[in-house]
Amino acid sequence: DVKVTQSSRYLVKRTGEKVFLECVQDMDHENMFWYRQDPGLGLRLIYFSYDVKMKEKGDIPEGYSVSREKKERFSLILESASTNQTSMYLCASSSGQFKPLHFGNGTRLTVT
Amino acid sequence: DQQVKQNSPSLSVQEGRISILNCDYTNSMFDYFLWYKKYPAEGPTFLISISSIKDKNEDGRFTVFLNKSAKHLSLHIVPSQPGDSAVYFCAASKEAGGATNKLIFGTGTLLAVQP
Repeated sequence: DVKVTQSSRYLVKRTGEKVFLECVQDMDHENMFWYRQDPGLGLRLIYFSYDVKMKEKGDIPEGYSVSREKKERFSLILESASTNQTSMYLCASSSGQFKPLHFGNGTRLTVT
Repeated sequence: DQQVKQNSPSLSVQEGRISILNCDYTNSMFDYFLWYKKYPAEGPTFLISISSIKDKNEDGRFTVFLNKSAKHLSLHIVPSQPGDSAVYFCAASKEAGGATNKLIFGTGTLLAVQP
């Protein structure tokens, strides 16, 4: 069974801090994704990666960057956290095009 | 611009009855559709999918119907069980021409199945 692990369930950070959200998957999936979930807005794609060191912007990349140095790990970076980045962050992976995404349990980030 | 819309934020159904969750999309290029279920404090889990070459796909108690002309899909759960109570997201994708698929999600519908 695919396991996608997000390193933190809850994080509280201050405005202006640099924040790292880590995600690891154990199924050798090529594709990895970062979404954020907000009430009334559903899940919105921030960034995705289809190979090591490859990344593409999603629908809301502003204020975020990503890193994929190894196939199993995909990191989301908030360069300077702001209060409007308070959200639930969800990492996912998939084995290829038109394959279902497997999600982690999410990281609830609060920026004060 | 919401390309995938779930107009009902919530739905309440009696145990044993049918639950029908609806989803509309605006982009005619979408050709693959999925439903995910999400419990509180967990990530979404894949439920069922359908490609645009079909109009129905069934998996146990779950059936997804696709009406391409209306740009509408629906998820039927029969019979509904209390354990089905969750938020349901529909999602759509178009052939990217690349190595991966980019899913566009709806806003979700909270289903409550009353015992």
